[in-house]
Parts: sequence; C-alpha cells; structure tokens
Amino acid sequence: GNSVTQMEGPVTLSEEAFLTINCTYTATGYPSLFWYVQYPGEGLQLLLKATKADDKGSNKGFEATYRKETTSFHLEKGSVQVSDSAVYFCALGLDSSYKLIFGSGTRLLVRP
Amino acid sequence: DAGVIQSPRHEVTEMGQEVTLRCKPISGHNSLFWYRQTMMRGLELLIYFNNNVPIDDSGMPEDRFSAKMPNASFSTLKIQPSEPRDSAVYFCASSLLGEPRNEQFFGPGTRLTVL
Repeated sequence: GNSVTQMEGPVTLSEEAFLTINCTYTATGYPSLFWYVQYPGEGLQLLLKATKADDKGSNKGFEATYRKETTSFHLEKGSVQVSDSAVYFCALGLDSSYKLIFGSGTRLLVRP
Repeated sequence: DAGVIQSPRHEVTEMGQEVTLRCKPISGHNSLFWYRQTMMRGLELLIYFNNNVPIDDSGMPEDRFSAKMPNASFSTLKIQPSEPRDSAVYFCASSLLGEPRNEQFFGPGTRLTVL
C-alpha cells in the first residue's frame, strides 16, 4: 500500500543549527511529495512540494529533493530559527486519487 | 482572501450532546476535506466533497458522524451524540481541484472537548 514514514520526534536544535528531517515513502505509481508545516495553534500549511523525480522543492530556506532511487524526500534547512519551531508533516499524493497520505509528523523545537 | 474559516475555534460539551462544526472554504475552491487530528492517531481524513457532493466518507468513524455541504461556500460536520473519545482537533481544508498536486489550504481547526 501507499505510506509515508517520518523520523520520530521531537527534534531539538539550537538556533542556527542544520536541520534534517527524514521522510521515506512507499507508493504505487509516481507520487507527488509534499512537506506541510503546522505552527502551534494553527492548521497545516504547505511548505514545499515536488511533483517528479529529481525535483527540488524550496521555500523559506527549507529544501527537499525527490529521490526516486531511495524513495525519500528529506527536509533540510541550513540554519534554523526559533520561529521554525513547529510540527512538520511529509505527505504523498497520487494522480489516481484525491487523497493526501500524511506521515505522523515530526515536532521541531529550536532553542535560542 | 480570508482563507478557510472554521467555527467555533473551541467547543466544550458534555457526553451525549450534539456538536456541529462549521467550515467556509476558500471562494472558488471545489474540493473540501474534513480531517481529525489526535495524538494517538495523527491526522485522519474523515470525508471528501467534490463540487458539494460527498465522494468518499469511508473515514467517518461511525453513524454518529455526519457531514453536509449544502452549497459551495459552507459545510458542516455533526456529531450526535458526542462521546469523550471524539475529543480532537477537527480541520477543514479546501483545494482548487481534488487532485493531490493541488495544495490543500487548511483552516485553523476546531478543538473539541467532550466531557
């Protein structure tokens, strides 16, 4: 079946540290891949996406590259800020379905 | 644009009471999703509407849950009777098309507590 696996959180970093949140997927066909972010007390919002292999999505200093060979879409940021503290969700979508399949979410806490 | 609007933001009720959650999607969007978020189960899709028609309600937990979309600008999720295990944050999301490549825009959620 189709699924998304994210690294367990919480991830605790100091400000300006490098961030990696791992995401791997299992899918039939050729999915689109997404990272959504949920700030405290808010709904999810799209952070970045990639719709085909080798695409790189980027936004607000975050990047993720669609790696078909390793079925991965790891989220990275070179220098995190306190304001990046949130829960990050990896998700996949298939053209054959309207559904987004979300991972369990990874909580990031950035300390000053 | 005001984004997806949900009301109420918080709801506290007693077991057995009827609860109605409301959602106004982004104008022009034709797809609407209701999700439930809990610590134990994460984010679950409850129901999906396309052009106001329920397409998939397989995620609705049981007959106590019902959802309607009488027009393109309004949807409700009703729980009757409510139970403590229904306590969760309920999100409404809309998108321009139902295709997964299209971004889903989430509302701020309704935090429901059933005592």
